[in-house]
Amino acid sequence: EPEVTQTPSHQVTQMGQEVILRCVPISNHLYFYWYRQILGQKVEFLVSFYNNEISEKSEIFDDQFSVERPDGSNFTLKIRSTKLEDSAMYFCASEDGTAETQYFGPGTRLLVL
Amino acid sequence: QKEVEQNSGPLSVPEGAIASLNCTYSDRVSQSFFWYRQYSGKSPELIMSIYSNGDKEDGRFTAQLNKASQYVSLLIRDSQPSDSATYLCAVGSNDYKLSFGAGTTVTVRA
Repeated sequence: EPEVTQTPSHQVTQMGQEVILRCVPISNHLYFYWYRQILGQKVEFLVSFYNNEISEKSEIFDDQFSVERPDGSNFTLKIRSTKLEDSAMYFCASEDGTAETQYFGPGTRLLVL
Repeated sequence: QKEVEQNSGPLSVPEGAIASLNCTYSDRVSQSFFWYRQYSGKSPELIMSIYSNGDKEDGRFTAQLNKASQYVSLLIRDSQPSDSATYLCAVGSNDYKLSFGAGTTVTVRA
């Protein structure tokens, strides 16, 4: 069964460093998303991406964040200058655009020291 | 701000019993409703989706939607220890993003 994959599974970085989180959505899906979940808190929407552009973003998704689909398979989230409060699980999700059902990847656990 | 509210639990049920989970949402134009299961440290896993008023059954799971009351529920019949997890209610609108509740933790006692 097709699934969303994410790399790396864990990332430890120093405050102020740039990180890139990678996702490979399900191959025939058209909509792509990033969510995050701070430990013990709810899953929060960050950004949605369709047709090679951002379609919606939350107030969390400030200028430090960017997304890109550099080729036909990868979807990346970049955090330019990480802060301690960026420590969280980051989930990528994708959707085929018909059933409005989003399928989540396994997540990247980001720890900013 | 679109709010999705769930009882945080924990909800403890004996094996074989029915677990009943509730969720309310604030945005009246919400169109799609989902239940995800999340094991500790793992990603949300889709269990059920429901789009119209009424009941939808899939195996041991039944989702119920009442748009007039802005209420969606999940019943887990014949609960098993493997059902022990946090259940997330998620609501979608026409902006293609999901708003999640904080989740209800379910513990099934063997």
